[in-house]
Amino acid sequence: GAGVSQSPSNKVTEKGKDVELRCDPISGHTALYWYRQSLGQGLEFLIYFQGNSAPDKSGLPSDRFSAERTGGSVSTLTIQRTQQEDSAVYLCASSLVGGRRTGELFFGEGSRLTVL
Amino acid sequence: GQQLNQSPQSMFIQEGEDVSMNCTSSSIFNTWLWYKQDPGEGPVLLIALYKAGELTSNGRLTAQFGITRKDSFLNISASIPSDVGIYFCAGPDYGGATNKLIFGTGTLLAVQP
Repeated sequence: GAGVSQSPSNKVTEKGKDVELRCDPISGHTALYWYRQSLGQGLEFLIYFQGNSAPDKSGLPSDRFSAERTGGSVSTLTIQRTQQEDSAVYLCASSLVGGRRTGELFFGEGSRLTVL
Repeated sequence: GQQLNQSPQSMFIQEGEDVSMNCTSSSIFNTWLWYKQDPGEGPVLLIALYKAGELTSNGRLTAQFGITRKDSFLNISASIPSDVGIYFCAGPDYGGATNKLIFGTGTLLAVQP
């Protein structure tokens, strides 16, 4: 597709269960980002991929959170043993890297996670 | 690390009014970006600024890159109901080794017809 695609758009899970969130970036974008947005809050950086490697994982809240990217394209964010405080909208973004347009991110619509 | 503070936190205005909001940083930025987030959507880039003092327009929107490189301003003229949303400023975190964007705290705009 033309834009960043995320799935599922909504996920309701029980505390303690694992969840996987998927992101399909814009074709040709080498950089991929995950952000988290809690209700009424700004965007909290989680992790950044350049190709398949993650040079910056500094925003991952705990070791329950992990992410991978394969083929320089699709990325999966996994949250293990979910807690209620994990409830938020998880936003994925992609961008070109290098040159003047570095940092211009294109966001997906997000995956809304609710942990009961 | 770098932090971005936006003001005001929220604005409630009448259709047709002009809007002004700003973003300040504790450190220098070389790029300023303004995003808008509609309800239930991801943020969308409105304007990108790359040079201190730069003034850039996009329709009814005008943004400026502050001379000190520690602030930026966004103005919306003749507001309309579809301007409703959250406006975020953002800049690259050069303190780190990557190109991640740091986002401001956001300004919520409500426009009454």
